[in-house]
Amino acid sequence: TQTVSQSDAHVTVFEGDSVELRCNYSYGGSIYLSWYIQHHGHGLQFLLKYYSGNPVVQGVNGFEAEFSKSDSSFHLRKASVHWSDSAVYFCAVSLSYSSNTNKVVFGTGTRLQVLP
Amino acid sequence: AQTIHQWPVAEIKAVGSPLSLGCTIKGKSSPNLYWYWQATGGTLQQLFYSITVGQVESVVQLNLSASRPKDDQFILSTEKLLLSHSGFYLCAWRPAGQANSDYTFGSGTRLLVI
Repeated sequence: TQTVSQSDAHVTVFEGDSVELRCNYSYGGSIYLSWYIQHHGHGLQFLLKYYSGNPVVQGVNGFEAEFSKSDSSFHLRKASVHWSDSAVYFCAVSLSYSSNTNKVVFGTGTRLQVLP
Repeated sequence: AQTIHQWPVAEIKAVGSPLSLGCTIKGKSSPNLYWYWQATGGTLQQLFYSITVGQVESVVQLNLSASRPKDDQFILSTEKLLLSHSGFYLCAWRPAGQANSDYTFGSGTRLLVI
């Protein structure tokens, strides 16, 4: 059974600060990892994903994430946040064992608040 | 371009009343379709998925049912709502046969059961 842990429920930073949102997973097989953003009252929007290759992946709006097999992590980072980045961020883990992979596990989410 | 539309946007329903939520995907043939439920302030839980018309698989039993009457339509329903059904329901799609493709989510339906 794969699990996803987002240890920080809330993160508060000032505009222009850097931020790292943490995600740790547990699964021994072949998986792919992704991050989604959810603005208040809306659906989720895809940010980025990792399956193989370069462990640092770039996403939209200046976000990037780094995969670490040794740490079982896939932390999301941004060098300089904007107030519009305030949202809930979800890390997700999916098994990649079939072309119709349907099992996705989401973390509990991290609420990022960016203060002016 | 593909679009995903969920309806209604929000509902307030009484315990014991029926419910029907809809989801339509346009511009994509034979997508994989999904229903997710999100408790207030909580994470997403996958409820159902469908890879073809008329075929729906249940992931979690929450006294809900789902159907896919058309290739582009996914319906979530129940005959008797419970208080625990309150939350945010999200429909999503992804291309069939692509293991590492990302999900595209609808805007969601907010349900309050009183």
